Amino acid sequence: AQSVTQLGSHVSVSEGALVLLRCNYSSSVPPYLFWYVQYPNQGLQLLLKYTSAATLVKGINGFEAEFKKSETSFHLTKPSAHMSDAAEYFCAVTLYSSASKIIFGSGTRLSIRP
Amino acid sequence: DTGVSQDPRHKITKRGQNVTFRCDPISEHNRLYWYRQTLGQGPEFLTYFQNEAQLEKSRLLSDRFSAERPKGSFSTLEIQRTEQGDSAMYLCASSRPFVRGQQETQYFGPGTRLLVL
Repeated sequence: AQSVTQLGSHVSVSEGALVLLRCNYSSSVPPYLFWYVQYPNQGLQLLLKYTSAATLVKGINGFEAEFKKSETSFHLTKPSAHMSDAAEYFCAVTLYSSASKIIFGSGTRLSIRP
Repeated sequence: DTGVSQDPRHKITKRGQNVTFRCDPISEHNRLYWYRQTLGQGPEFLTYFQNEAQLEKSRLLSDRFSAERPKGSFSTLEIQRTEQGDSAMYLCASSRPFVRGQQETQYFGPGTRLLVL
């Protein structure tokens, strides 16, 4: 069965610093991977998705993630943090390109220090 | 797209009462999903519809839970005889008809936060 593990339930960085949120996946077949962001009291918004077309995936709001099969990782990065990036971030996986339930990680809360 | 909408946004009920939530997907999205998110956790899949057919149900969906999508448009999620453990955010998502070669994207609504006292 597929799963994702997010390392660190809370990450705090200074404004302007690099953001790195870690995600490792477990899957017996090539996975489809996602990063979602959730702002307080809101639903989830898709940041980016990996679909095997390219290992480096660019998303919205300056975020990007790199799929590394050898490390079974899909870490999320942003070169320079902004105060508005403070939110909960979820890594997720699904096995199929078509309709399928998404398996979410437990989330990482990102705080930005002024 | 006007986005996925859910109603109500918040619901407080007493243990043992029944509650019903509604989800309106993005128009022309034929797939609709329900997830549950408890505090400090990621969403967990509950069930999924393609048009009006309920195609998959999680073991999390006990017999007190029932979901419907009678006309293939909006969906309702009913919880009977609520328990304190049902307190959570209930999220709905929808997606377009599948196109081979394209990865499906699920669009989420704002959720309904349920508190059972």
